[in-house]
Amino acid sequence: AQKITQTQPGMFVQEKEAVTLDCTYDTSDQSYGLFWYKQPSSGEMIFLIYQGSYDEQNATEGRYSLNFQKARKSANLVISASQLGDSAMYFCAMREGPNAGNMLTFGGGTRLMVKP
Amino acid sequence: GAVVSQHPSWVICKSGTSVKIECRSLDFQATTMFWYRQFPKQSLMLMATSNEGSKATYEQGVEKDKFLINHASLTLSTLTVTSAHPEDSSFYICSARAGLLYEQYFGPGTRLTVT
Repeated sequence: AQKITQTQPGMFVQEKEAVTLDCTYDTSDQSYGLFWYKQPSSGEMIFLIYQGSYDEQNATEGRYSLNFQKARKSANLVISASQLGDSAMYFCAMREGPNAGNMLTFGGGTRLMVKP
Repeated sequence: GAVVSQHPSWVICKSGTSVKIECRSLDFQATTMFWYRQFPKQSLMLMATSNEGSKATYEQGVEKDKFLINHASLTLSTLTVTSAHPEDSSFYICSARAGLLYEQYFGPGTRLTVT
């Protein structure tokens, strides 16, 4: 079974509007971490936001917020006020276990295209 | 955050030749480095995990004799693609961590094209 599933291969959003990128995960560990990365056409992986499994509050970083629904095992990324520079691939990833350095498993990615 | 570099950023080589990709941690000592491969329009797939001073651990389906990994120092790991073929053309990304309790940081990637 897929550990990380991103069901939206591609999405369009109008500039200045909000967009939600879906991510569901599968793990039997109680302690885990969920990450979102942005990958522009240059290829570098840019860390956006992190949510720990024991964090009670949803993580926020500027225009990025993570809608963490533990019972549903979902960790959707919400980007508010989209900008043209947000056009990129977005990957959800999971780290299983309590150690911050454990390996990451990535979802298939969602290509976001922001329309002017 | 910590800085990880890769060299070269892109390389073109002829089929049958070998190419070496370097991954360096610039401002921390990386006990572990991870090597990923990403084909066009696909996700990152972990190829191998290398710990400084020991042999790399390869993921299932990755040929260890074709993708040679050396992690001889705490700041440098190298991936050598031996006898490269066009199907090895891909984007190779490394990440590094200072220890099990520390998060990993990604390098900028190396785009390999085999002609």
